[in-house]
Amino acid sequence: DTGVSQDPRHKITKRGQNVTFRCDPISEHNRLYWYRQTLGQGPEFLTYFQNEAQLEKSRLLSDRFSAERPKGSFSTLEIQRTEQGDSAMYLCASSLNTRGDEQYFGPGTRLTVT
Amino acid sequence: GEDVEQSLFLSVREGDSSVINCTYTDSSSTYLYWYKQEPGAGLQLLTYIFSNMDMKQDQRLTVLLNKKDKHLSLRIADTQTGDSAIYFCADLGSSNTGKLIFGQGTTLQVKP
Repeated sequence: DTGVSQDPRHKITKRGQNVTFRCDPISEHNRLYWYRQTLGQGPEFLTYFQNEAQLEKSRLLSDRFSAERPKGSFSTLEIQRTEQGDSAMYLCASSLNTRGDEQYFGPGTRLTVT
Repeated sequence: GEDVEQSLFLSVREGDSSVINCTYTDSSSTYLYWYKQEPGAGLQLLTYIFSNMDMKQDQRLTVLLNKKDKHLSLRIADTQTGDSAIYFCADLGSSNTGKLIFGQGTTLQVKP
């Protein structure tokens, strides 16, 4: 297995446009997480899926954000009407929901809103 | 709410030991983790410790946990230039959702 992958790696968009990111977790992992990381900070939790069910959402996830994991495999994170404050690195992680719940992270998608 | 704090910067000489410290506030924490992040990259899981353990050793890495003081440390023996990176402490808390609370990261600079 090649680990968690994310696409695209970089995205530059104009304010007001919609963007969608994709995450492919490690194949046998049933948990999938989205985090956001801004410069100089640690990652902040956005949302979490157990299989296809979205079980928790952070207050950081405004109405403009939506995440899906339709078949319990890959996930998408969409941001509508992007704002400059959305500029950040969006990180995806997956885990196997075992003791320790070790989360393995993808390389991230860096979003720049101009 | 839960919080995790780390010192921002540590500089050591190659071959010395590095000790990165972290404090957390959640007394119900179950697991605590150390991640490494190199420039422009995602996070690499280095090691983790269960809250009923005091110490865990994994090759050059030693994790010490003082649950009474809510203090976690990561010791890297024989630090190499390739260890230069940002190190994040993360707390799983008592949540069943896997939500990790991260510190702001410690930048480790290794001088040759």
